[in-house]
Amino acid sequence: SQKIEQNSEALNIQEGKTATLTCNYTNYSPAYLQWYRQDPGRGPVFLLLIRENEKEKRKERLKVTFDTTLKQSLFHITASQPADSATYLCALEGGGGSYIPTFGRGTSLIVHP
Amino acid sequence: EPEVTQTPSHQVTQMGQEVILRCVPISNHLYFYWYRQILGQKVEFLVSFYNNEISEKSEIFDDQFSVERPDGSNFTLKIRSTKLEDSAMYFCASVKGSDRSNEQFFGPGTRLTVL
Repeated sequence: SQKIEQNSEALNIQEGKTATLTCNYTNYSPAYLQWYRQDPGRGPVFLLLIRENEKEKRKERLKVTFDTTLKQSLFHITASQPADSATYLCALEGGGGSYIPTFGRGTSLIVHP
Repeated sequence: EPEVTQTPSHQVTQMGQEVILRCVPISNHLYFYWYRQILGQKVEFLVSFYNNEISEKSEIFDDQFSVERPDGSNFTLKIRSTKLEDSAMYFCASVKGSDRSNEQFFGPGTRLTVL
């Protein structure tokens, strides 16, 4: 069955450093992958989408890579700030003609001042 | 900036009762979704809706669930006979246009508690 894995342990980093979050998947060939931010008790907020034929996407301090051979996406936040502290979710969609979004459990990022 | 709204923010109900969760998607959006998130777990897709009909649905979305767009603005999720395990946050989302890969805008959620 399809499986998405994100680090279950919280990632703690110092302000100003680059945070790197990982999303691995198996038994899936998504057409695209999305990253979301979720704060406690709130709905997910869309950050970036990357398609299967794209290697890298950037938006301000955010960068996403997508390696369909390794079945992995990396999500980077450069010059991290305490306000970046949240849970980051990856979601895959569009594999095999199905458009059912499948979310990972998310990784909690804590940026220390 | 336009946003997706959901009501109520918190719904408490007795097991076996029917509940209707309401969403008002962003006005020019065409694709609508319902998701649920059990406390501490991942976001799970329930159903997508386009052109007044269900586009995709997950295994969770059994015959106890139904969706409706009764007018041009509301999008509702009905659970006919609630179970304890239906307790979760329910999120509505909408997408601009007919391309499902466009950004999904999520609402703030409705916390459903089944006693």
